[in-house]
Amino acid sequence: KAGVTQTPRYLIKTRGQQVTLSCSPISGHRSVSWYQQTPGQGLQFLFEYFSETQRNKGNFPGRFSGRQFSNSRSEMNVSTLELGDSALYLCASSPDRGGRGTQYFGPGTRLLVL
Amino acid sequence: QQQVKQSPQSLIVQKGGISIINCAYENTAFDYFPWYQQFPGKGPALLIAIRPDVSEKKEGRFTISFNKSAKQFSLHIMDSQPGDSATYFCAALTFGNEKLTFGTGTRLTIIP
Repeated sequence: KAGVTQTPRYLIKTRGQQVTLSCSPISGHRSVSWYQQTPGQGLQFLFEYFSETQRNKGNFPGRFSGRQFSNSRSEMNVSTLELGDSALYLCASSPDRGGRGTQYFGPGTRLLVL
Repeated sequence: QQQVKQSPQSLIVQKGGISIINCAYENTAFDYFPWYQQFPGKGPALLIAIRPDVSEKKEGRFTISFNKSAKQFSLHIMDSQPGDSATYFCAALTFGNEKLTFGTGTRLTIIP
């Protein structure tokens, strides 16, 4: 099976712009989670989607949003970018919720905000 | 509030030695404790995981030891190899919540 894929892999934006990142989960996986990784804050949970519904949300401002499509593919959007949004954004997929636990990560999208 | 504490921050081990990384958690509602390995420029890769009803799990050279009463768990890498040089993260999750809470990471370097 192909792993989790994320596009684009690298992105450079300027402050105030918005960005959309895409994630395709492992075939058959229905849960998609997003994480932000920075040197200072480490790996932090952004949100999780299952059956096109946001099921859980981390402690991030409303500028961070996401959605999931019927084929389980997911996108996350960051509006009004700030310098502090520069990070590696990771998507993880899991077969199901509640009991499986295992999340498999993609390679990430590295976002640089200038 | 940091719910999963990981130590050490960095670790240097000689080839063939045992690498040990420790984690402690606070939330007794956690159901699942995975370890991830991350190489530069890559996403974290699941290495091994354990549930709290098991005290030890071994997969090849990697072993998780789990102490439920102390709320601690550790990763042991036996016969450490240069290819094991990476950053290791412990994590914890509550089923139904699906949010992985990560430790701060340990940068492991295996020297010849």
